[in-house]
Amino acid sequence: DQQVKQNSPSLSVQEGRISILNCDYTNSMFDYFLWYKKYPAEGPTFLISISSIKDKNEDGRFTVFLNKSAKHLSLHIVPSQPGDSAVYFCAAKAGGYNTDKLIFGTGTRLQVFP
Amino acid sequence: EAGVTQSPTHLIKTRGQQVTLRCSPISGHTSVYWYQQALGLGLQFLLWYDEGEERNRGNFPPRFSGRQFPNYSSELNVNALELEDSALYLCASSSDRINEKLFFGSGTQLSVL
Repeated sequence: DQQVKQNSPSLSVQEGRISILNCDYTNSMFDYFLWYKKYPAEGPTFLISISSIKDKNEDGRFTVFLNKSAKHLSLHIVPSQPGDSAVYFCAAKAGGYNTDKLIFGTGTRLQVFP
Repeated sequence: EAGVTQSPTHLIKTRGQQVTLRCSPISGHTSVYWYQQALGLGLQFLLWYDEGEERNRGNFPPRFSGRQFPNYSSELNVNALELEDSALYLCASSSDRINEKLFFGSGTQLSVL
């Protein structure tokens, strides 16, 4: 059972425009969400996170939106740059000590073209 | 400061063999996590070690095991390899038990023939 779903395996966006990556989750106990970016032959690197007590978090060109009622979050990249081309993973975790492992989605490959 | 390091980077094994993967966390990090990324799948949680103890494990068979050493480095062992074990194995570390942010290594690509 995939608790974190990224239904779009790939996305292609022109440089300068907005990239929107989507993520859905099923576990209502998730209270913290993260986005990771992964380049080929490298491990994922942390990008941005959001707590369930917020509905928006912004860091430079990256903004994450959380809609708890819809169990949906999205990552907006504005403006998109060629260096943003990578695989983006959505991850979530539930509170508590023994259950705080991160659950990852399957990833969305973003390609930003000139 | 060195990041999370994993060895080897690539490995080819045959069915039935055993393999050991190694991970050194960022200095000062006490928690080590292992994830498997098979083709077309997300990162699947394998194991979590903290302060030398196994704290949690994912939905994997017992032939996946590991340990954490006093210097917080970790090994992942996989016995009786199967073809479907072919995957990228990622190690991550964090500085506290509430792992709000994990730092990943570049992974070990395991191919089972």
